[in-house]
Amino acid sequence: GQNIDQPTEMTATEGAIVQINCTYQTSGFNGLFWYQQHAGEAPTFLSYNVLDGLEEKGRFSSFLSRSKGYSYLLLKELQMKDSASYLCAYRQGGKLIFGQGTELSVKP
Amino acid sequence: DAGITQSPRHKVTETGTPVTLRCHQTENHRYMYWYRQDPGHGLRLIHYSYGVKDTDKGEVSDGYSVSRSKTEDFLLTLESATSSQTSVYFCAISGPGPSGANVLTFGAGSRLTVL
Repeated sequence: GQNIDQPTEMTATEGAIVQINCTYQTSGFNGLFWYQQHAGEAPTFLSYNVLDGLEEKGRFSSFLSRSKGYSYLLLKELQMKDSASYLCAYRQGGKLIFGQGTELSVKP
Repeated sequence: DAGITQSPRHKVTETGTPVTLRCHQTENHRYMYWYRQDPGHGLRLIHYSYGVKDTDKGEVSDGYSVSRSKTEDFLLTLESATSSQTSVYFCAISGPGPSGANVLTFGAGSRLTVL
């Protein structure tokens, strides 16, 4: 099965900050990805980490610790349009292996 | 938009019938992928291709076959569809993204219902 785990659901308030965690176990790690998927749509690329540390891109940041097999996606100044599923995935050779996704609901 | 299209977008079929889904790209990328997405399971890799006539299995390949006779087309075939193969199928291509990393770009998806 998949050796990648993330919470199934999260709820947060508009304007707040939310952190979505992802843990993984794999050999031959080649990078950690985050994708966003709105209901009924295809996933779209958000961020990529291959080295330890924080990558910031506007309201979204992603962190990676390779030694701990851990990543998180940080969303700031939440907006209603951020309600979506957030998928983490690790690259193993030519394959991308996804977690089950975290369904984020943003409430007014 | 990355040039990737899937067909058909929706299909209803009966158990035991063959089904072929087509993925077409205009980006000339080497790697192409087929995933299925089901509630509670996220995206699961079925098969992928790393060049013409070069394919490999993913996590859930049983009951599926693929073919890649030219760079732009990657076909997914269900030889004899079963109800457990009712799902949304996504094709993806791998190409350069921000920061130079290769990222997956997904097609719009094909919703298959097997009755």
